[in-house]
Parts: sequence; C-alpha cells; structure tokens
Amino acid sequence: KAGVTQTPRYLIKTRGQQVTLSCSPISGHRSVSWYQQTPGQGLQFLFEYFSETQRNKGNFPGRFSGRQFSNSRSEMNVSTLELGDSALYLCASSLWQFSYNEQFFGPGTRLTVL
Amino acid sequence: GENVEQHPSTLSVQEGDSAVIKCTYSDSASNYFPWYKQELGKRPQLIIDIRSNVGEKKDQRIAVTLNKTAKHFSLHITETQPEDSAVYFCAPSLQGAQKLVFGQGTRLTINP
Repeated sequence: KAGVTQTPRYLIKTRGQQVTLSCSPISGHRSVSWYQQTPGQGLQFLFEYFSETQRNKGNFPGRFSGRQFSNSRSEMNVSTLELGDSALYLCASSLWQFSYNEQFFGPGTRLTVL
Repeated sequence: GENVEQHPSTLSVQEGDSAVIKCTYSDSASNYFPWYKQELGKRPQLIIDIRSNVGEKKDQRIAVTLNKTAKHFSLHITETQPEDSAVYFCAPSLQGAQKLVFGQGTRLTINP
C-alpha cells in the first residue's frame, strides 16, 4: 500500500496570507490527525478527523482549521499567517479500530512564514 | 490536559551499550503507551507500544516497561547501533483515541 502523502512538501508565505495543506491517508484508513512540529514546542496535536467529522481538537487558535472529505483525504487551513506558524506540519492516518492506535505519518509540509 | 515529560532530553552512548529513556505522564486514564522514532529529516515511526494490562514488552533489541502506579514508562535499547541515532518520542494516550500527546523528545546519539 502507498504510504501517507502530503502536498505540497514546501511552502513559503508572507504574514497575513492564508495557506491550505493536503493529506492523503493510507488506503482504507479513515482517521486523519494533524500535528505541528517546531524546535521549541515539539510535536503538538492540532486536530483529528474521522468520517468527515472533527473528533478531537488541540489547543490552537481558530485560525487553524481543517476538514475531511468522503474519500478520507484531509486538508488543513491556516488563515492570517503569523511568523510563529513556521513549522513542519505532519499528518498521520490510522485504521482506527477500538484497540488499534498506530498512526502512520506523512513526510510533512514545511511551511515558512516571512 | 495531559502533561508528558521525557528524560533525558539528550543521551549519548557508546555503540554496543544500552540506552534508557523515561517518560512520565499525568493522566491516570492513559492506557496506551507508544514510542516513536524520528530520524533526521524523516517522519516519526512507531517502534514499540504497550497497553496498560502488560508490564513489559520486548521486540528484539528494544523493550518498553510500564509502571502504571508511578505513571511512567521507559524505552530500553540494548546493543545500540549507529542506526539507533534519532529523536525518540513517547506519546501516552487513551486506547482507541487518535490524539497523541507527545513528550518533548530525547535526542539519542550513538558514538562509534
């Protein structure tokens, strides 16, 4: 099976702009989670989607949003970009059965805000 | 929310020696305890996990031990090799939940 893919791999934006990142999960995986990775804050959970519904949300401002489509592909959007949003954004997919937790990560999108 | 702490933040060992990383958590409801490995420039990957009804699990050179009473679990790597050099993250969570709360990571360096 193909792994988790993310597009684009690199992005450069300026403050105030908005950005949309895309994640395609492993075929058959219905849960998609998003994480922000920075040197200072480490890996932080943004949100998780299952069957087009947001089930979990981390402690990020409302400028960060996401959605999931019927084919399980997910997008996340960041509006009004700030310098501090520069980070590696990782998505992860999971098969999601009650006792099965393993998350498979994509390669990430490196966002630089100037 | 869940507080997760890893110690040490950096660890340097000689090739062939053992390495131990400890993860302490605050949420007593946590019942799933994974360790992820992230090599430089690569994505995190699950290397071993344990559930709360088990005290220890081994997979070749790596093992995880759990002390639920004290709310900590540890990653043990024996006979370390250069390819073990990476950042290791613990992520205690609820079984079935897809929200991982990661520790701050431990950078492990294996010296030849």
